[in-house]
Amino acid sequence: AQTVTQSQPEMSVQEAETVTLSCTYDTSESDYYLFWYKQPPSRQMILVIRQEAYKQQNATENRFSVNFQKAAKSFSLKISDSQLGDAAMYFCAYLINYGGATNKLIFGTGTLLAVQP
Amino acid sequence: GAVVSQHPSWVICKSGTSVKIECRSLDFQATTMFWYRQFPKQSLMLMATSNEGSKATYEQGVEKDKFLINHASLTLSTLTVTSAHPEDSSFYICSATRPRYNEQFFGPGTRLTVL
Repeated sequence: AQTVTQSQPEMSVQEAETVTLSCTYDTSESDYYLFWYKQPPSRQMILVIRQEAYKQQNATENRFSVNFQKAAKSFSLKISDSQLGDAAMYFCAYLINYGGATNKLIFGTGTLLAVQP
Repeated sequence: GAVVSQHPSWVICKSGTSVKIECRSLDFQATTMFWYRQFPKQSLMLMATSNEGSKATYEQGVEKDKFLINHASLTLSTLTVTSAHPEDSSFYICSATRPRYNEQFFGPGTRLTVL
């Protein structure tokens, strides 16, 4: 069964500092995608970053970057220069590419990130 | 682009009544829509996958007679909670995908409170 594990229920970071959120997943598939979603207090799900499993290069989006270790099945998110607006619940998610639009997202349990001024 | 809306954003109803939640893709055609349920401080739980013009596929443990899903067009899917009870109170989120895109676009969610 495919599972996504986020071992840090809560994290805290000082404004302008860097924080890393952990995520591991379990799968026997070779073609899949990994995502980090942010859910602020408004509860709107916002895509932060995505990584295709076939790409060796780690994805980056401005202050957000990932450390994708395929052999270890690890997909951590690094937030640099943390801002107050980064405070939110962060979900790691995994999607197997079966070639259709019905591919399901498997979510982790989430990490609640607090940013201290 | 890729905006998904939900209506209503919140609803309060009496026990025993039915409530309909709409999910619309505003600027793209969504061949597949997904419905999730989220309890406070928990992750999203997939309830069902909805394909335009066909019956929804429900996840194990989700009552299909309680949660009726209709995907009538490429831009609209509805979730009807029938004979709602207080335990159905939750936050319901929909998402939509475009053909050949391995990404889901999420609606803002609907908070349902059943008294």
